[in-house]
Amino acid sequence: DGGITQSPKYLFRKEGQNVTLSCEQNLNHDAMYWYRQDPGQGLRLIYYSQIVNDFQKGDIAEGYSVSREKKESFPLTVTSAQKNPTAFYLCASSSGPFGEQYFGPGTRLTVT
Amino acid sequence: SQQGEEDPQALSIQEGENATMNCSYKTSINNLQWYRQNSGRGLVHLILIRSNEREKHSGRLRVTLDTSKKSSSLLITASRAADTASYFCAPHNFNKFYFGSGTKLNVKP
Repeated sequence: DGGITQSPKYLFRKEGQNVTLSCEQNLNHDAMYWYRQDPGQGLRLIYYSQIVNDFQKGDIAEGYSVSREKKESFPLTVTSAQKNPTAFYLCASSSGPFGEQYFGPGTRLTVT
Repeated sequence: SQQGEEDPQALSIQEGENATMNCSYKTSINNLQWYRQNSGRGLVHLILIRSNEREKHSGRLRVTLDTSKKSSSLLITASRAADTASYFCAPHNFNKFYFGSGTKLNVKP
């Protein structure tokens, strides 16, 4: 089955710790995206990558980092510099910059 | 803000009624897409309308786009309880999507 997976579904961390969220796709898509969603809010773009070994900052990149070493994978690290990391994180991919986005099921991160 | 803004924020209707959601945006766009999100889940793509299109249909969905007014609408006809979800418009420009806060639709059986 083709799709996009995120793991884990729920993640708990102590303040001050870095944490890495996984995102994998087998859709052969070039573009991948990370979004953050807060309760009752829309999605805000953290980082995106149009091609392997290249990525761009989105609207709220501070305190986050990414890598794109493989086409299938786009992990997101939430660093201790992110002031308010508790949120729902969504990964998406698309075949090109203009196409529809396919979303993973999301990871709910809680930092205490 | 370049985000899409949906209106209304919440909508409650009876099963069988039509639901209309509106979206306004501020910049020029390549296309505009509508997505649906069930509570606590990822988003699902519903429909894409290009900037040179005025109307598009997909099953019970009808989307219109007025680029002169920078607005779009999503109509769901003959709604079902399973349509209960949040609906987001996503204007697309410069390799990015600008999601709004969504319309929360509740369809009562």
